[in-house]
Amino acid sequence: DVKVTQSSRYLVKRTGEKVFLECVQDMDHENMFWYRQDPGLGLRLIYFSYDVKMKEKGDIPEGYSVSREKKERFSLILESASTNQTSMYLCATDRLNEQFFGPGTRLTVL
Amino acid sequence: AQKITQTQPGMFVQEKEAVTLDCTYDTSDQSYGLFWYKQPSSGEMIFLIYQGSYDEQNATEGRYSLNFQKARKSANLVISASQLGDSAMYFCAMRERESGATNKLIFGTGTLLAVQP
Repeated sequence: DVKVTQSSRYLVKRTGEKVFLECVQDMDHENMFWYRQDPGLGLRLIYFSYDVKMKEKGDIPEGYSVSREKKERFSLILESASTNQTSMYLCATDRLNEQFFGPGTRLTVL
Repeated sequence: AQKITQTQPGMFVQEKEAVTLDCTYDTSDQSYGLFWYKQPSSGEMIFLIYQGSYDEQNATEGRYSLNFQKARKSANLVISASQLGDSAMYFCAMRERESGATNKLIFGTGTLLAVQP
């Protein structure tokens, strides 16, 4: 079974802090994704990566950056957290016709 | 631009009855894939079913079937014999290409299904 893990289930940060959300997959997949999920908006793609050190912007990249130094790890970085980044963040990887999701990190920015 | 529309924010269904969750999509691509995911209250996203744009048969996975009507650009999920454990948020999603190097998914806003005993 594919396993996608995220470093925290719940996270509370202050406005202006630098925040790292970590995602690790154990299946050697090339593609990894970061989404945010908000009520009434579904899941929106922030960034994705199709190889080590490769990244592409998704639909809502503003305020975020990413890092992919190793194939199994894809990090989402909030350089200076803001209250409008309070959300559920989901990491995913894929194989053929299926995306596998991590359990999600619920981030609250105060 | 590709778009997924789920017009039902929430639905009720009686246990053991069938329920249809609506999904329409918009794309100019000839090759694409359609997905349904389930998200229980615990938060994890669970893959349910996949339909490729060139698949002639409607996809089925156990109690889940996808009613694919290509001309209408709809991909409704049918759950037969609903169970209490089916209560969850359901998301329809589309991949821009049926197979490709980067499988970006576009999601709908979701339908919250409540199964009543």
